Amino acid sequence: KAGVTQTPRYLIKTRGQQVTLSCSPISGHRSVSWYQQTPGQGLQFLFEYFSETQRNKGNFPGRFSGRQFSNSRSEMNVSTLELGDSALYLCASSLPEGYYGYTFGSGTRLTVV
Amino acid sequence: AQKVTQAQTEISVVEKEDVTLDCVYETRDTTYYLFWYKQPPSGELVFLIRRNSFDEQNEISGRYSWNFQKSTSSFNFTITASQVVDSAVYFCALSEAKGNDYKLSFGAGTTVTVRA
Repeated sequence: KAGVTQTPRYLIKTRGQQVTLSCSPISGHRSVSWYQQTPGQGLQFLFEYFSETQRNKGNFPGRFSGRQFSNSRSEMNVSTLELGDSALYLCASSLPEGYYGYTFGSGTRLTVV
Repeated sequence: AQKVTQAQTEISVVEKEDVTLDCVYETRDTTYYLFWYKQPPSGELVFLIRRNSFDEQNEISGRYSWNFQKSTSSFNFTITASQVVDSAVYFCALSEAKGNDYKLSFGAGTTVTVRA
């Protein structure tokens, strides 16, 4: 079966712009989580969605937001981009009880210049 | 507070050597889950193994094995007879089963380089 699909793979944006990243989960997985990976902070949890509702949120500013659609696809948005937002953004899909296992996508590498 | 600690930043070995990656975790929950993920240069996190807190049985899966000890809060991972393709960053992660708080807390990762 198809894996987790993230688009785009690479993105270059200018400070102050906004960006939207997309994630299509594995068929049958209704939970989607987002993580930010940077050399300095490592892998950090952003938020998790299940059935179009945000169930859990990490410690990130309000500029980071997300949503989930009825087909379980999810988008995350970062507004007013800062240089420090440059990172690899990873999406993971899972069954509702996430601890059964998470499948990650290849990520979107965002560079803010 | 750091919930998952991977003390080894980098490990370099010659092909066919065994590699053991250390992971120490911290949680107050009695029910939790531990994972190991591999991240090759392509960036995708690849699931390797999962263990729940009630099962301390250590297992071997192919060239992978793990040693889970609740008494020392450790969840170490071993690659036997390493190969060049094993070169990657390895992450240990913890998921605590608290209500709807489904998320992974990752360690800082250990970069493994296997030289031919």
